[in-house]
Amino acid sequence: ILNVEQSPQSLHVQEGDSTNFTCSFPSSNFYALHWYRWETAKSPEALFVMTLNGDEKKKGRISATLNTKEGYSYLYIKGSQPEDSATYLCADPGGTSYGKLTFGQGTILTVHP
Amino acid sequence: NAGVTQTPKFQVLKTGQSMTLQCAQDMNHNSMYWYRQDPGMGLRLIYYSASEGTTDKGEVPNGYNVSRLNKREFSLRLESAAPSQTSVYFCAGSRPGQAEKLFFGSGTQLSVL
Repeated sequence: ILNVEQSPQSLHVQEGDSTNFTCSFPSSNFYALHWYRWETAKSPEALFVMTLNGDEKKKGRISATLNTKEGYSYLYIKGSQPEDSATYLCADPGGTSYGKLTFGQGTILTVHP
Repeated sequence: NAGVTQTPKFQVLKTGQSMTLQCAQDMNHNSMYWYRQDPGMGLRLIYYSASEGTTDKGEVPNGYNVSRLNKREFSLRLESAAPSQTSVYFCAGSRPGQAEKLFFGSGTQLSVL
């Protein structure tokens, strides 16, 4: 069982603040790192799948970076909005090419108007 | 496009009863998965099917069986439900052309009394 850890567990920010959170994963036998957003009463939705060391992906105000040598990824949200409130999950497929993912416990983000 | 469809959305069982959770996708996914979500535990993989005709155990397979009936359908069966199986269950699918990111169904809230 892989050890995928996320920090912090929860985060409260004001509208307009920029924020970031961390995912750490085993650096050996790396294949990919996934990020998902999970809004209350909905299903998780994929944000990014990152595969290359030094990779940076962006989707609107959300971006992510990847360091496979040291085993961490950062997710950044610029100018947070209330609709960004969600749980953000990272996941590691453990060296396989399938979506057989081990998920972290998530970071719960609350953006206050 | 329906995506990944799970039924039922809610179910209450008595200890010892059996039931099957159904999942169907119309996204041409090669691989399909069943996860469960428990408070404080994150999403955990129960079973997966890398391709039609194959199934394999995930992290928490005990008490469950699966059937990959065809490429579209992947069902999860509880033969004799136990209170420890009270959880939210998610079906998901993936395929290589989309970097194996997971597309989730809407979830099934199961309570075992």
